[in-house]
Amino acid sequence: AQTVTQSQPEMSVQEAETVTLSCTYDTSESNYYLFWYKQPPSRQMILVIRQEAYKQQNATENRFSVNFQKAAKSFSLKISDSQLGDTAMYFCAFKEETSGSRLTFGEGTQLTVNP
Amino acid sequence: GAVVSQHPSWVICKSGTSVKIECRSLDFQATTMFWYRQFPKQSLMLMATSNEGSKATYEQGVEKDKFLINHASLTLSTLTVTSAHPEDSSFYICSARQVYGYTFGSGTRLTVV
Repeated sequence: AQTVTQSQPEMSVQEAETVTLSCTYDTSESNYYLFWYKQPPSRQMILVIRQEAYKQQNATENRFSVNFQKAAKSFSLKISDSQLGDTAMYFCAFKEETSGSRLTFGEGTQLTVNP
Repeated sequence: GAVVSQHPSWVICKSGTSVKIECRSLDFQATTMFWYRQFPKQSLMLMATSNEGSKATYEQGVEKDKFLINHASLTLSTLTVTSAHPEDSSFYICSARQVYGYTFGSGTRLTVV
């Protein structure tokens, strides 16, 4: 079975600083997709960034970037210039290409950005 | 962008009654939708996968007779919690699969009293 592990239940960062959230996963597949979702206090799930496993280049979306290490099965999220609005629960998620379309979520990391 | 509308956003019901939660894809067709349950400060737990025109696939341990899922059209999936009890109180979220990822509804907070 596929598993996704987020080893940091809580993290905090000062506004304008950079923070990295970690995520590891386990799979025997070679084709898959990885996601980071953000869930603010409103509890609306928002897609932050997406990475296809066959792409070597790390995905970037404005202040958000990932460090995808396929051999190590690691998929960390870096948030640059942290803003108060980044305060949220962040979930790492995994989807295999061959097992249908279900997402497997990690346990989540609660990020607090302090002024 | 793609929007999934989920209603109601919150509901309080009496123990023993049934509650229906709707999930609609507003600007795209969703052949597959997912229903999750989330407890406070925890991750999303997949309850079932809903496929248009066919029976839902339930995850192990989820009572299919208690959590009825209907996906009668390409834009609507419903979750009915039957004979609700206080232990069914939770946050329920739907999601629809798209070409480049998944879009989530805003969730429904169910409180059974």
